[in-house]
Amino acid sequence: GQNIDQPTEMTATEGAIVQINCTYQTSGFNGLFWYQQHAGEAPTFLSYNVLDGLEEKGRFSSFLSRSKGYSYLLLKELQMKDSASYLCAANTGGGNKLTFGTGTQLKVEL
Amino acid sequence: DVKVTQSSRYLVKRTGEKVFLECVQDMDHENMFWYRQDPGLGLRLIYFSYDVKMKEKGDIPEGYSVSREKKERFSLILESASTNQTSMYLCASSLHRGSSYEQYFGPGTRLTVT
Repeated sequence: GQNIDQPTEMTATEGAIVQINCTYQTSGFNGLFWYQQHAGEAPTFLSYNVLDGLEEKGRFSSFLSRSKGYSYLLLKELQMKDSASYLCAANTGGGNKLTFGTGTQLKVEL
Repeated sequence: DVKVTQSSRYLVKRTGEKVFLECVQDMDHENMFWYRQDPGLGLRLIYFSYDVKMKEKGDIPEGYSVSREKKERFSLILESASTNQTSMYLCASSLHRGSSYEQYFGPGTRLTVT
């Protein structure tokens, strides 16, 4: 079976750093995606990790440890517009098929 | 820019009706996907397609069927709508079957079955 876990909600302060964790147990694994979804909108791509280590892209970074079945998304210099749901998704084989976690709702406060 | 469009943003149907949800992408993507999104359950894959006239079941295909007659269009069909199919339906596409290609999502159709 496929199991992907991430916290349901997180709250952070504007200007701070927040880390959103994702753990996965899947039969088959090719890589790990992170998507951002604002309320009422479509998910949009943030990052993809296939190798162990940290990938940095501006204020957002994503980390993967395949041996531990663990990933995190790091958001720096938080802004109010970062308030959104963050979706972790594992590519579990069979080409481009994804299995999603339930999403982490991040609230950024003043 | 990749654009994925869905035929309706909001739809209200009655139990037992046949429902068609349409999705069109304009970037010549090979792969197309249908998901439903429910609170506390996240995005769940219903069906996907890697090519015209080709379809594969996702994790929750029961009560649904799909059609892909043209590369740019992927339709989701609810043969006989039921109240437990009330949900947000999201269509997505990606360039190629390779695992590293990101999926691009449409704006979603919020379907209510009464």
